[in-house]
Amino acid sequence: AQSVAQPEDQVNVAEGNPLTVKCTYSVSGNPYLFWYVQYPNRGLQFLLKYITGDNLVKGSYGFEAEFNKSQTSFHLKKPSALVSDSALYFCAVGGGSSNTGKLIFGQGTTLQVKP
Amino acid sequence: NAGVTQTPKFRVLKTGQSMTLLCAQDMNHEYMYWYRQDPGMGLRLIHYSVGEGTTAKGEVPDGYNVSRLKKQNFLLGLESAAPSQTSVYFCASSPGVSITDTQYFGPGTRLTVL
Repeated sequence: AQSVAQPEDQVNVAEGNPLTVKCTYSVSGNPYLFWYVQYPNRGLQFLLKYITGDNLVKGSYGFEAEFNKSQTSFHLKKPSALVSDSALYFCAVGGGSSNTGKLIFGQGTTLQVKP
Repeated sequence: NAGVTQTPKFRVLKTGQSMTLLCAQDMNHEYMYWYRQDPGMGLRLIHYSVGEGTTAKGEVPDGYNVSRLKKQNFLLGLESAAPSQTSVYFCASSPGVSITDTQYFGPGTRLTVL
């Protein structure tokens, strides 16, 4: 069965510092991995995805994520955090035995960037 | 393009009442999904549809029904609402060309069942 875990409920970082939001997954077969962001009282917005190829994926708003097959991880990163990056971040996994584009979401990590 | 829209934005029901949530997309997407979001649990798939006239159960389908009579619309029904169905409901759609397609989300419906 597919699963995804976000081990941190909240990540706190100072503005200008690098940030990392962690995600690990479990899927049989090739995984397809996504990051979404949710701002307060809004729907989820797509940030980036890994399908195949280069392990470092670049996405919207300066975010990037690194796919690590041996560690079954897909951590979200940004070199310099902004206060406006404060939001709820979701990792999701698809693929494996699924053939309908269904995604399994992690429980979410709240990112708090302080001035 | 409006993208994915949801109606209503907020609703309060009493236990046992029924209601229908409407999701509409103007991107000509084949696949549509209904999720619920609860604190600390992420998003869980309720039902989904891979095309007009087709629906399938997701992870948490009990207590909900869906219909996809038109390609652009996906309706989620609660026949007899229960307090456990208090949640934020999100609709999403994807092109349906590939299983790696990105899903696009609506703004959500906040439902409270008293």
